[in-house]
Amino acid sequence: EAQVTQNPRYLITVTGKKLTVTCSQNMNHEYMSWYRQDPGLGLRQIYYSMNVEVTDKGDVPEGYKVSRKEKRNFPLILESPSPNQTSLYFCASSFHTSPETQYFGPGTRLLVL
Amino acid sequence: QQQVKQSPQSLIVQKGGISIINCAYENTAFDYFPWYQQFPGKGPALLIAIRPDVSEKKEGRFTISFNKSAKQFSLHIMDSQPGDSATYFCAANSLGGYSTLTFGKGTMLLVSP
Repeated sequence: EAQVTQNPRYLITVTGKKLTVTCSQNMNHEYMSWYRQDPGLGLRQIYYSMNVEVTDKGDVPEGYKVSRKEKRNFPLILESPSPNQTSLYFCASSFHTSPETQYFGPGTRLLVL
Repeated sequence: QQQVKQSPQSLIVQKGGISIINCAYENTAFDYFPWYQQFPGKGPALLIAIRPDVSEKKEGRFTISFNKSAKQFSLHIMDSQPGDSATYFCAANSLGGYSTLTFGKGTMLLVSP
């Protein structure tokens, strides 16, 4: 089954404790992206990657890091989480030539205390 | 800055009625306009999309109307059903090289039985 998986689905942590949210897709997509979703603000792009070893900032990259060492994986790293990073996070992927079909993962709900 | 403005923020429609969600964009380089549907607890999923060379696209009960001169596009859901209750996001993209979507803030639709 074609899918984007994220882990964990729910996470409660404390300020300053480094965490990683994993994202994996099995569709051989070149493009992957991370979004955060907040009430009243919609979906905002954090980082995206056009292909392996190619990443770029989205609209709200501050406080986040990413890496793309393999085509299928695109982890999101919070080196020192803060309460304002409490949010619902989505990973998405698509073929570079087919942006109309971005597949989204199920989401990771993060609470930073 | 918000490049895609979406309204209304929330919408209540009776079963069988027409739901209308509007979006406006500023960037004239945008040339692809998808709508995503998100059910509670799920990631967004592509619903329908349009390119600016047509003024309307219909898929079942869902229709996109596009007005290039006004830089506006809208989603119409005919014969709305309770199962259509979800959050809807419009988005825009420039196909000239990479697939980064700019999303509206979303509309929460509730179709009452």
